[in-house]
This record gives sequence, C-alpha cells and structure tokens, in this order.
Amino acid sequence: EPEVTQTPSHQVTQMGQEVILRCVPISNHLYFYWYRQILGQKVEFLVSFYNNEISEKSEIFDDQFSVERPDGSNFTLKIRSTKLEDSAMYFCANQGAVNSPLHFGNGTRLTVT
Amino acid sequence: RKEVEQDPGPFNVPEGATVAFNCTYSNSASQSFFWYRQDCRKEPKLLMSVYSSGNEDGRFTAQLNRASQYISLLIRDSKLSDSATYLCVVNMEYGNKLVFGAGTILRVKS
Repeated sequence: EPEVTQTPSHQVTQMGQEVILRCVPISNHLYFYWYRQILGQKVEFLVSFYNNEISEKSEIFDDQFSVERPDGSNFTLKIRSTKLEDSAMYFCANQGAVNSPLHFGNGTRLTVT
Repeated sequence: RKEVEQDPGPFNVPEGATVAFNCTYSNSASQSFFWYRQDCRKEPKLLMSVYSSGNEDGRFTAQLNRASQYISLLIRDSKLSDSATYLCVVNMEYGNKLVFGAGTILRVKS
C-alpha cells in the first residue's frame, strides 16, 4: 500500500529557531494536510493545501506557519520562530479525492526547549 | 456545541465482549464520516468509512444517523489487539476540512 513518509521522525530545537518538517505524499494524491497533536490531546487541523495554494487553515496556523511544495513533490511545513507550545506530533496527510479518507504519515515529534 | 464530540472513556471490556461507541457532530451538512484508530504515539490509521446505509467489515460495524447527527462503531468479539483510541472524523461543509473527535479509549483485557 502506498505510504506517506515524513522526516525527521524527531526534531529537537530551541525556542525561537526555525524548523522545517517534510512530507513525501502519495503520488497522484492532490490534497495535502497538516495536523498536529499535543501529547495527550486531540488531533487538530492546521491547514489544507490543494493546487499549490492553501485552501483552508485553522486559528492555530498563524503567521509563524507556512506550507509549500517546493519541488512539486515534497510538502513542507515551516515554523518560523518556534515556541514552547509548538511541541507536538505533526502529521502530514494526503487525500486522493474530496470526501475520501486521509492517509497519514508516521509523524514528526517536535520538541521545543 | 463542539464540532465533533466523543465519549472519552475509557471503556474497559473483557476479551470477546461487544462494545459500541458513539460520536456526535454539529454540522448537519457534513458528508464524509470515518472511524480511525490510533495506537499510543502513532499516526491515526483508517479503520473504516461510514456510509449512509451502514457498513460492516468483519467484526466492525459502522452506522450513520443523519437525523440525530451521530455515527456509531460496534466492535464484536473484542480482541486484546483492539485496545487503542478510536477517533471519529467528520468533514465540515465549508471546504475540505476533516475534523477529529478527541477519541474514545478502549482497553480489552484477558
């Protein structure tokens, strides 16, 4: 079964630093998402991306966050100046068509110290 | 009212038991419904989609009640390996945003 791949699996960074989380989606799946999950809490929607632009974003996705597909393949989430409260699991997800299920990557655990 | 709401549990059941979870959603125009399972510190994995007429996959049965705006998951003959958090996922009418419930913890004991 095709997989969504995320790197790195664990990222430790200092407060105020920039981080880039990477995702290799399933080919031919055109809808991309980032979710995050703070330890012990629910999975929260951050942003959806289609046709090289953001289609929807949550209140969490403020000016510190950005997404792009720099080479038409990888899908990245950048956090410009990390805060302690950004510590969480970040999941990339892919969707083949509207109303179809999401396929998740194995996540990146971000720890901000 | 929360967009997607689940009883957090935990549900502690013996092996072989039948257990059911409900999930309510706020948006009457929602079109897509799914159940995912999540093991500790892992990514959510699709368990099954939920169709209007209800659907079954082995020991798992999903139902949709549009009038009351809830979906359900029934697990028959519980196995130890069914122990996990079960996540209800619903799309919102506006855009293609899929929203997760907080999850229901299931613990199956021998």
